[in-house]
Amino acid sequence: SQTIHQWPATLVQPVGSPLSLECTVEGTSNPNLYWYRQAAGRGLQLLFYSVGIGQISSEVPQNLSASRPQDRQFILSSKKLLLSDSGFYLCAWMGADRNSGNTIYFGEGSWLTVV
Amino acid sequence: AQKITQTQPGMFVQEKEAVTLDCTYDTSDPSYGLFWYKQPSSGEMIFLIYQGSYDQQNATEGRYSLNFQKARKSANLVISASQLGDSAMYFCAMRESRSGSARQLTFGSGTQLTVLP
Repeated sequence: SQTIHQWPATLVQPVGSPLSLECTVEGTSNPNLYWYRQAAGRGLQLLFYSVGIGQISSEVPQNLSASRPQDRQFILSSKKLLLSDSGFYLCAWMGADRNSGNTIYFGEGSWLTVV
Repeated sequence: AQKITQTQPGMFVQEKEAVTLDCTYDTSDPSYGLFWYKQPSSGEMIFLIYQGSYDQQNATEGRYSLNFQKARKSANLVISASQLGDSAMYFCAMRESRSGSARQLTFGSGTQLTVLP
């Protein structure tokens, strides 16, 4: 069965410091991968998605970047964090084949507090 | 314009009662999918139920059912026999066919459900 993991679960970072959140998926190949952000008490906003290795699409202009160095690995990064980057970050995956199902499944999430 | 609208920021229901969480959507695509997710205080997003726009019958999954009214563009979630563990934030989401290979979801703002003992 497929599983998704992301880490770290919680981190507190000073303004101006770098960020790296990592997500890996097991039990599937060539999945679509997503990074969503959820501000406190709000819905989810899509940040990035990837349909294959090295293929990254950004949905909103921001201080963050994403990379997909391997088929089942998705990384969210920043060179210099801003206070506004604080939030709950969720990695998600979905089978790229339409026959593999319609559902997007989420990781456990990472709580980022920028101080 | 909002693609997914959840008009109930918070809802209360008595344990063992049924509750309906509202969701309306806006799309011009003939093919789309509607999803409901549950987010407990731990933060993880748990998939509950899916309804395709061409599905003739309302989706059901255990105590969850989706009241799909296509003409009204509504996809309300019905939870029967509420349990204390149902207390969580609930999100409605939509995938449009225009999203292409990305197939990403657009989420509503959520409804916080509290089940009272």
